[in-house]
Amino acid sequence: DTEVTQTPKHLVMGMTNKKSLKCEQHMGHRAMYWYKQKAKKPPELMFVYSYEKLSINESVPSRFSPECPNSSLLNLHLHALQPEDSALYLCASSHPRGREDEQYFGPGTRLTVT
Amino acid sequence: GQQVMQIPQYQHVQEGEDFTTYCNSSTTLSNIQWYKQRPGGHPVFLIQLVKSGEVKKQKRLTFQFGEAKKNSSLHITATQTTDVGTYFCAGPAGNQFYFGTGTSLTVIP
Repeated sequence: DTEVTQTPKHLVMGMTNKKSLKCEQHMGHRAMYWYKQKAKKPPELMFVYSYEKLSINESVPSRFSPECPNSSLLNLHLHALQPEDSALYLCASSHPRGREDEQYFGPGTRLTVT
Repeated sequence: GQQVMQIPQYQHVQEGEDFTTYCNSSTTLSNIQWYKQRPGGHPVFLIQLVKSGEVKKQKRLTFQFGEAKKNSSLHITATQTTDVGTYFCAGPAGNQFYFGTGTSLTVIP
């Protein structure tokens, strides 16, 4: 199984809503990532978990809150988002060596904040 | 801060023509990875280069990593319509991981 799954595929939320994005992989990878990608731009790293511990937080606003319940799951909790947060949110995972190895990306959640 | 630039930003080629994208980092990268993202899709890993001056080939694709480990290139020979997409270089620098700005390739049949 070389698949990273993400739910939901699409999400529309108001600025006062609370929602969560979910990501799952069963490849035994111990590093998991959240990226934000705006149209026609490269993915921007938001968070990195290594062995279920947050190792990198790229100065992301606190309205984004990551969670790694176990080695296969990664969540991104959203609260009080702004319209400029509308983007494609990508989850990825990689081998235990972390960022030195290729990353497998999920299909993403396309988020619209109204 | 760290920047990874790619040129060109866009490239339109006739099917059968060659294509090259160049990647330049402002700092040394411990390795360089290349990803392809189809329109509406997600990045898909193509290859990783680790050694200074390394060259790797995958069928019609040739990847190079510069001697100073700050630049890289991807060359596609005889493009096909299936090559359409955005090609990103990416790599770790220190504690960070950076994607290049990407080159969007359009192949005209």
